[in-house]
Amino acid sequence: AQSVSQHNHHVILSEAASLELGCNYSYGGTVNLFWYVQYPGQHLQLLLKYFSGDPLVKGIKGFEAEFIKSKFSFNLRKPSVQWSDTAEYFCAFSKGASGTYKYIFGTGTRLKVLA
Amino acid sequence: DAGITQSPRHKVTETGTPVTLRCHQTENHRYMYWYRQDPGHGLRLIHYSYGVKDTDKGEVSDGYSVSRSKTEDFLLTLESATSSQTSVYFCAISDPGTGVAEQYFGPGTRLTVT
Repeated sequence: AQSVSQHNHHVILSEAASLELGCNYSYGGTVNLFWYVQYPGQHLQLLLKYFSGDPLVKGIKGFEAEFIKSKFSFNLRKPSVQWSDTAEYFCAFSKGASGTYKYIFGTGTRLKVLA
Repeated sequence: DAGITQSPRHKVTETGTPVTLRCHQTENHRYMYWYRQDPGHGLRLIHYSYGVKDTDKGEVSDGYSVSRSKTEDFLLTLESATSSQTSVYFCAISDPGTGVAEQYFGPGTRLTVT
């Protein structure tokens, strides 16, 4: 079955530290990849997405992610985190090049940034 | 933010009672989804709809039913609520017909079954 693994369940960092959150998916075909963020008490919001083209994608708030097809990975990075980045982060993918309608989510990574 | 509302936002109900949650969108998106979010499980798909009266099951559909009589509304019904259905429920929409599309999420409904 297709799935998404987020190996880091909880991450604690100090402000200005660099962030990398791991995401691996299990599916051998073409994928569309997403990172969502959920701030405390809020709904999920899209951080960034990859459909095709340049495997390094930039999103909002200084986040970026790199798609490495050979490793089935789509890790999220940020060079310098802020206290306001405290949130839960979800990786997700959908199958196919277009017109797909089902999305598979990872279990999430809780990030806490210490001021 | 996408125009998605969920009602009610909070509900406490007793075991065995039926419960209906409503998702309403103003974006005219074709696809609508219901997820539940539980600690350690992330988001799990309950049911989704790909058009009016067109629905299909997700990975955790037992004990839930859905209906979509209008493009803008997607209802989730718990036939007979159980304590294991205590969760936060999120509605989402997307429109893959316009190309590959991300999902937009509603604000969520926190349901407690006592």
